[in-house]
Amino acid sequence: GAVVSQHPSRVICKSGTSVKIECRSLDFQATTMFWYRQFPKQSLMLMATSNEGSKATYEQGVEKDKFLINHASLTLSTLTVTSAHPEDSSFYICSAETTGGQETQYFGPGTRLLVL
Amino acid sequence: AQKITQTQPGMFVQEKEAVTLDCTYDTSDPSYGLFWYKQPSSGEMIFLIYQGSYDQQNATEGRYSLNFQKARKSANLVISASQLGDSAMYFCAMRDRNSNYQLIWGAGTKLIIKP
Repeated sequence: GAVVSQHPSRVICKSGTSVKIECRSLDFQATTMFWYRQFPKQSLMLMATSNEGSKATYEQGVEKDKFLINHASLTLSTLTVTSAHPEDSSFYICSAETTGGQETQYFGPGTRLLVL
Repeated sequence: AQKITQTQPGMFVQEKEAVTLDCTYDTSDPSYGLFWYKQPSSGEMIFLIYQGSYDQQNATEGRYSLNFQKARKSANLVISASQLGDSAMYFCAMRDRNSNYQLIWGAGTKLIIKP
């Protein structure tokens, strides 16, 4: 149980285009999902907390107009990188949190974004 | 402020040996949770084991066990009978009320298992 999928796994795009990344909890409902960014050889950096049916909560320094998050249902959250630039190239990984006692974040496989 | 410290940036271990990955934490909240995740080179973060601050016994999951020493604020991960597939980055993380229940991450330890 507790499987999270993320799509696409890799994406290469031109500068100025927008990229949408989907995160799905496959076998459980998640009222809370998280979006992280990871730079090489570093730990995860939380970008935002996504709650179903409400606006996402962004961490300090993360532009909400740049990284649009939509948590449309209890099993789906999307991250859209708008007008992507080369500095947005990174590894983006989502997680979905189980509820009821031991809240644990289960992670998707991640998305490697390369902006040319 | 809460903090997670992993003092071993990298470790080499012979296959089939046991390995201990260190993690110390700092929090003022009496209620907290400790997690270990494995990240292979492919990138996915795999949940390994959880320890709650009020749990009386050390958590175990198969070959993984957590050596929880509350007074010393340490939560070391022990992997028994290491395998080549255990080679990965390992991250310790904590959540408590001070972090608004978000995960606070350690810097990670890169474990390489030698054949």
